[in-house]
Amino acid sequence: GAGVSQSPRYKVAKRGQDVALRCDPISGHVSLFWYQQALGQGPEFLTYFQNEAQLDKSGLPSDRFFAERPEGSVSTLKIQRTQQEDSAVYLCASSFGRGHAETQYFGPGTRLLVL
Amino acid sequence: GENVEQHPSTLSVQEGDSAVIKCTYSDSASNYFPWYKQELGKGPQLIIDIRSNVGEKKDQRIAVTLNKTAKHFSLHITETQPEDSAVYFCAASGGGTSYGKLTFGQGTILTVHP
Repeated sequence: GAGVSQSPRYKVAKRGQDVALRCDPISGHVSLFWYQQALGQGPEFLTYFQNEAQLDKSGLPSDRFFAERPEGSVSTLKIQRTQQEDSAVYLCASSFGRGHAETQYFGPGTRLLVL
Repeated sequence: GENVEQHPSTLSVQEGDSAVIKCTYSDSASNYFPWYKQELGKGPQLIIDIRSNVGEKKDQRIAVTLNKTAKHFSLHITETQPEDSAVYFCAASGGGTSYGKLTFGQGTILTVHP
């Protein structure tokens, strides 16, 4: 079946622009995670949704970052007034249940470059 | 919060040799430890995971061991093949209000030479 998909795969933005990154999780998966992966590093947690509820946003680096999952399926990560330090790969992952000790399936990521 | 350290950062082996990657974690409440393989331009792919109620798990050429007392876990790949070349990440997650969020190690670049 279909895995986690993300779009766009690549995004180039000028500093100060707003961007929106989309994640389509595996159908029926309750949990959705966003991670940020800087070059040469491991992914770092940004935020977590259980259905449409955002239960943890402790990893969002600033108030310029905003995520939503209004109908409990597709999620969008929005970055306002992008800065060069926002350049990274943004990964989305989903899991079947409520997250604890469950396999997380990752999408291919969106590579964001801020010039 | 949780902190995961991973060693070595790079590992080079000959085809057919074994490869071992080690990780330590800081939060004794962590109870789930997955390993991911990431190829260039792709997202991480789960290769094996272990939960805190077992000490070892094996899947063909791949095995993971967990020592809860010492708070470390290791990935063992036997009979390595060139297609095993990739970046490998360990991760840990705990109970409570963590909701299963993963804390990753820094990654190991594995190169298998034919």
